[in-house]
Amino acid sequence: DIQMTQSPSSVSASVGDRVIITCRASQGVSSWLAWYQQKPGKAPKLLIYAASSLQSGVPSRFSGSGTGTDFTLTISSLQPEDFATYYCQQGNSFPLTFGGGTKVEIK
Amino acid sequence: EVQLLESGGDLVQPGGSLRLSCAASGFTFSTYGMTWVRQAPGTGLEWVSGISAGGGTTYYADSAKGRFTISRDNSKNTLYLQMSSLRADDTAIYYCTSYVSRSLHYWGQGSLVTVSS
Repeated sequence: DIQMTQSPSSVSASVGDRVIITCRASQGVSSWLAWYQQKPGKAPKLLIYAASSLQSGVPSRFSGSGTGTDFTLTISSLQPEDFATYYCQQGNSFPLTFGGGTKVEIK
Repeated sequence: EVQLLESGGDLVQPGGSLRLSCAASGFTFSTYGMTWVRQAPGTGLEWVSGISAGGGTTYYADSAKGRFTISRDNSKNTLYLQMSSLRADDTAIYYCTSYVSRSLHYWGQGSLVTVSS
């Protein structure tokens, strides 16, 4: 199985800050990497698929990059509604696997 | 509007069985792969099982193999997860999702399964 490692596990940031979350795969996943946002008590929501494709309706302050084993999710200017937990997921092979999550908290 | 509505979650004793359902609407269900993802209380996401659009190919996490069976009825726009030999560590919210471009585009609101005596 492909292991996904996210860092940091949590980050404290202020509104307007640039936040970068990284995700590393234990083996190459090409560009089959997705990012999700989850708020407390809610289902996860897809933000980015195929490493850098923005899901319809997701604000352009979210962006993704990377290929192979190293990926990043960037929030260019953090907004109050962005405080949440973020997960990466590889889609290169079954079983699909997720990173452990990154909690973005208010500083 | 895409909607995925899970049902069937309940309190069940260890060793028991349960069937989850997911009713889909707002998209052409029969052309999409589907998956189940679960989240134990206070923890991260765990993919459980997936099925191809036609239902002919299925995939399982090791934790589900031999105990869980995924299926679908495209005439009813419904996805199922039959779970048996349930254990305490199966306690989780179970989400049904669509599977597009190797990612999980739409999610239901979740169905809580609690395994406890």
